[in-house]
Amino acid sequence: GAGVSQSPRYKVAKRGQDVALRCDPISGHVSLFWYQQALGQGPEFLTYFQNEAQLDKSGLPSDRFFAERPEGSVSTLKIQRTQQEDSAVYLCASSYLEGKNQPQHFGDGTRLSIL
Amino acid sequence: EDKVVQSPLSLVVHEGDTVTLNCSYEVTNFRSLLWYKQEKKAPTFLFMLTSSGIEKKSGRLSSILDKKELFSILNITATQTGDSAIYLCAVEVPSGAGSYQLTFGKGTKLSVIP
Repeated sequence: GAGVSQSPRYKVAKRGQDVALRCDPISGHVSLFWYQQALGQGPEFLTYFQNEAQLDKSGLPSDRFFAERPEGSVSTLKIQRTQQEDSAVYLCASSYLEGKNQPQHFGDGTRLSIL
Repeated sequence: EDKVVQSPLSLVVHEGDTVTLNCSYEVTNFRSLLWYKQEKKAPTFLFMLTSSGIEKKSGRLSSILDKKELFSILNITATQTGDSAIYLCAVEVPSGAGSYQLTFGKGTKLSVIP
């Protein structure tokens, strides 16, 4: 597609459930990023992939958060044993090549609500 | 700790007004500064600035960076209701693994009333 595609757009889960959020980057984009955006805040970095390699996961808030990009294209962010503080919008972004003055392009995000 | 501060946090103007949004930053290793517009969906890219003093322009929007004073401004002239959005400023900084990530400010919420 023309842009970054994320699914689902909305996800409601009960506390303790596992969730999986999907990101389909722009075709040909090597770099993929996940961000978490709490209400009224700017996005905060979670993790970064270059192709299938997860080069940076320093922003993942706990070991309940796990991301993968096994074939270097679609990525999944998984949150295990969800807690209420996980409620946020999860944004995925991709760029043609990390750095090289290439801006990141964002998807519409998944709004996660934990009850 | 890397920090990006935007001001004002919110702003209400009338159609036709000109607005200036501010972004200041304190980061250990700056590479670029980006502006995004966020309506109810994806942040959409506006500008990427790497050099001081060079204005970037797109229609009624323009932006400039001052790397000595560590700030950027985003100007919107002849505002329209469609400009109502949250404007995010982000600085590209190195992360621990040799890659770069965006550190965002909290955004400025702009409301343009007819």
